[in-house]
Amino acid sequence: QSVLTQPPSVSGAPGQRVTISCIGSSSNIGAYDVHWYQHLPGTAPKLLIYGNSNRPSGVPDRFSGSKSGTSASLAITGLQAEDETDYYCQSYDSSLSYVFGTGTKVTVL
Amino acid sequence: EVQLVQSGAEVKKPGESLRISCKVSGYSFTTYWIHWVRQMPGKGLEWMGTIDPSDSYTYFSPSFQGHVSISVDRSISTAYLQWTNLKASDSAMYYCSRRGTAAATKNFFDSWGQGTLVTVSS
Repeated sequence: QSVLTQPPSVSGAPGQRVTISCIGSSSNIGAYDVHWYQHLPGTAPKLLIYGNSNRPSGVPDRFSGSKSGTSASLAITGLQAEDETDYYCQSYDSSLSYVFGTGTKVTVL
Repeated sequence: EVQLVQSGAEVKKPGESLRISCKVSGYSFTTYWIHWVRQMPGKGLEWMGTIDPSDSYTYFSPSFQGHVSISVDRSISTAYLQWTNLKASDSAMYYCSRRGTAAATKNFFDSWGQGTLVTVSS
């Protein structure tokens, strides 16, 4: 079961800004970095943000991440049709496990 | 270019054994840990376990400990996820991934396989 909580869905019109929250606890987000993935089911997930706010090469700067305390968030600005898919946060937990968020489906209206 | 290429879809019966594979290329296989992640139909991503290809040290999520095993064949840069007694509840998509490293952070997955769909049905 996921220990990081995300909203099931968020939506926005093309060009708008949307944010996805990821709520954890002191044993995971409060102690370790948060990372974000974009995932179209049935295909390879893609790393979007690592170390809370860093973008791998090739990821547009429309995607940004932040972390504060035991929560984190992913922001997508200038929403595009191609952004419509699932997003997951991920961290490490002091129980020696990697943990994912519950997942958020982004819909472009 | 880093690539993780997984074996094809499998259809099995309950009680059967199965091994799926993840062949890597584009980097030194023994340098980066390999992880396995499950996605059940309509559900989210779940971390299963990991292996250090340099010495085959493994550790698992408590949810999967004892039900699956992970191994490697260093001669062909391939990692495996194996079951000896499949259950219908093992039906899922399985992804392998490589643990990324960066100057100031770790414990993330920077490259992923395309997934292997496992269907267990009588």
